[in-house]
This record gives sequence, structure tokens and C-alpha cells, in this order.
Amino acid sequence: SQELEQSPQSLIVQEGKNLTINCTSSKTLYGLYWYKQKYGEGLIFLMMLQKGGEEKSHEKITAKLDEKKQQSSLHITASQPSHAGIYLCGAAPSGGSNYKLTFGKGTLLTVNP
Amino acid sequence: DTAVSQTPKYLVTQMGNDKSIKCEQNLGHDTMYWYKQDSKKFLKIMFSYNNKELIINETVPNRFSPKSPDKAHLNLHINSLELGDSAVYFCASSQNRGNTIYFGEGSWLTVV
Repeated sequence: SQELEQSPQSLIVQEGKNLTINCTSSKTLYGLYWYKQKYGEGLIFLMMLQKGGEEKSHEKITAKLDEKKQQSSLHITASQPSHAGIYLCGAAPSGGSNYKLTFGKGTLLTVNP
Repeated sequence: DTAVSQTPKYLVTQMGNDKSIKCEQNLGHDTMYWYKQDSKKFLKIMFSYNNKELIINETVPNRFSPKSPDKAHLNLHINSLELGDSAVYFCASSQNRGNTIYFGEGSWLTVV
């Protein structure tokens, strides 16, 4: 079955610092999603990657999917307290009728002002 | 306007009761999902419906029964609630499989 490993499990950074969160799959992915969850709230969609080598950016967050489509990284530049939350990667191992997301266990990000 | 909305947001109920969580999406999507997030924040799929048809049914107890009256709604009914059912339940939707999946804000279920 599809397994996703996220690292680190938690991360504390000073405001203004850059950081990277990794997501590694045991299998080649059909699609890779990044979501952010704040405590007591729902999942906010950040980005979806499907092609090997693909890179997407939104504001200060950049996500990349490696060429083999088994590893993704989420990079935040000049972090702010508003970036704090749990970052979840979700992967779709295949398309078609069996389309579903398997999630990693999340990375808890704390940004100290 | 909320794209994927769930009600209730919070629910506290006693063991043995039957409860429902409702979900509606106004995105015009044809696929809807229910996910469960346990106390360790692990998010796992329960069901997937496409055009009101059950597509995915993970290993979920029979006490959980999803119902999709139309493409915009996917409700979750839970019979004989148990302590272990306490979790956050997320509804989600997407247009065709393989596209972005949007989540609702979650329903916090506590069984006492």
C-alpha cells in the first residue's frame, strides 16, 4: 500500500528564516498535494504537482516534485507567524476509478516572532 | 461562499447513539469523499462517491453509512457510536478524479 513519510515531524523556526519540509513516497505518484491545516480548522489546499520535475510557487511557498515522482519538498522563504500550522502531503498513487489520497502524518510548523 | 460545507462543526454525543454529518459542495464537482482524522492527526479516506455512486469503500465498520442524494451532497450516518469513533471527519470534493480535492472545515465528533 502507498506510504508517505514526512520529515521533519515538527519544526520551530524564527520569523524570517527559510525552511523545507519533505515528503517521500514508497511508490511512484500519480499526483502529489500539499495542504495546510491550522488547529481547529479545515485543510487549505496549497499546491498540486503531477509531472516529474514540476515546481510551483504561491507567494512565499514553493513546492517541487522530483523527476522520479517519489519525493516532494515544500520550501517557505522568509517565514512569518501566519505560516504556522500543520503541513500535510497527500499522494494519489493512481488515477482512474481508484483515485484517492493517502496522507503523510504531517509536519507541525511553529514560527516564533 | 463556502465551497465545501459540513454540519455540524461540533458534535458531542453518548455511546450507542446514531448521528449524521451533512456535507454540501457548491463547486459543481462530481466526486465527493469522506476522510477521518484521528487523535494523532492521521488523515485517512473512508469513502468516495462519483456521480452518486460509491467508488471507494475503505475498511470502515458497517455502522458507517454514506448517502449521496445528489451530486452536491454526501452525508455520513453513524450508528451505535463508539468511543473510538471520536475524531474529526472531513468531507471533500473534486471535479473528475485526478483534479484538486477541496476539503470542508471538518466536523469534530466526540463520543462520551
